[in-house]
Amino acid sequence: GEQVEQRPPHLSVREGDSAVITCTYTDPNSYYFFWYKQEPGASLQLLMKVFSSTEINEGQGFTVLLNKKDKRLSLNLTAAHPGDSAAYFCAVSGVDSNYQLIWGSGTKLIIKP
Amino acid sequence: EAAVTQSPRSKVAVTGGKVTLSCHQTNNHDYMYWYRQDTGHGLRLIHYSYVADSTEKGDIPDGYKASRPSQENFSLILELASLSQTAVYFCASSDAGGGYAEQFFGPGTRLTVL
Repeated sequence: GEQVEQRPPHLSVREGDSAVITCTYTDPNSYYFFWYKQEPGASLQLLMKVFSSTEINEGQGFTVLLNKKDKRLSLNLTAAHPGDSAAYFCAVSGVDSNYQLIWGSGTKLIIKP
Repeated sequence: EAAVTQSPRSKVAVTGGKVTLSCHQTNNHDYMYWYRQDTGHGLRLIHYSYVADSTEKGDIPDGYKASRPSQENFSLILELASLSQTAVYFCASSDAGGGYAEQFFGPGTRLTVL
């Protein structure tokens, strides 16, 4: 079935710097891609979603890129601020997962002043 | 006015005991899900439901039962709790299945089995 690998597990950047989190997936028939944010002590909230017909999506200071050829999804933060400190999870669904979400293992992002 | 609530928020259970985790949503969503989260891992789907009085197995259903008595309520039952079931459990709801709808999560329940 679908497998999703997320890297890195931990990431520390300075305020104002950029950060990149990447997920690779195995099912070429994956169609729906999500990034969720989990702030400390809180639940998960949708950050952005991308469907396979769209290869780029921007919002809230983030850019999501989808490379279908390489089966890679990335979350790019262009200018980090303290409020971005959180855990980030990617999730993918497609044919192999019977359209259930398969989740990455998460990235804990810390923004240093 | 949180749309997905879970109770209890934390629980300590003994091995072999019965544990019931409850979830309530006010989103008027048809789909509800139970996930577990282990340190260093992503969420894994245990059970889900798309209509009251019906539940479906997810990826890791062994050792768990689920109950959906109404659209708003979805419970996860551990009949014989084991050490390996120590984890954080999240409930979620969505207005559609098919893997394309946003899921709305509850605050999570931290379960420790001793």
